[in-house]
Amino acid sequence: KAGVTQTPRYLIKTRGQQVTLSCSPISGHRSVSWYQQTPGQGLQFLFEYFSETQRNKGNFPGRFSGRQFSNSRSEMNVSTLELGDSALYLCASSRDGGPFFGQGTRLTVV
Amino acid sequence: AQKITQTQPGMFVQEKEAVTLDCTYDTSDPSYGLFWYKQPSSGEMIFLIYQGSYDQQNATEGRYSLNFQKARKSANLVISASQLGDSAMYFCAMRGSSNFGNEKLTFGTGTRLTIIP
Repeated sequence: KAGVTQTPRYLIKTRGQQVTLSCSPISGHRSVSWYQQTPGQGLQFLFEYFSETQRNKGNFPGRFSGRQFSNSRSEMNVSTLELGDSALYLCASSRDGGPFFGQGTRLTVV
Repeated sequence: AQKITQTQPGMFVQEKEAVTLDCTYDTSDPSYGLFWYKQPSSGEMIFLIYQGSYDQQNATEGRYSLNFQKARKSANLVISASQLGDSAMYFCAMRGSSNFGNEKLTFGTGTRLTIIP
């Protein structure tokens, strides 16, 4: 059974640009959540989607947004990138048990 | 609000020895779940073990066991017979009943475990 797949694995962007990260959950999982991991702030919850609806949202500015498609795949978007957005972005999916995480997308903003 | 505290930033353990990673938590939720994850240098968060607050017995998964002491609000991870491949960051996390129906986890700061040959 395939795990959670995140693409791309690595990304370098320039300040002011926007970026879209993708997450394919484990087959049958309808909940997808996103986390940001930085050395300074640790692991912080961004948001969670279930059946295409945002079910919970963390304390992040509106530049961070997400969506979920009917096949449960999810994307998160960060607009007007700042240097502080450099982080490992982790996606997790859940059904019964978990959440189970993907390998993450490492975003570097220069 | 929920809080997870991991007081050991780093640990060095001899191969084949058992190791205990500490985790204490604070919550006002009447029921909750506690998780442990392993994060190797590759970045992936690997699910290790789960303990529900009303579970009567401590959770076990292979070489991993969770020493759950509800009154002390602690949920320590025990790894038996450590292996070189156990070297990684370990995170304790919680999901409270206020978050049942969604999947928000609150994480601790992690413990970096290094296994010495």
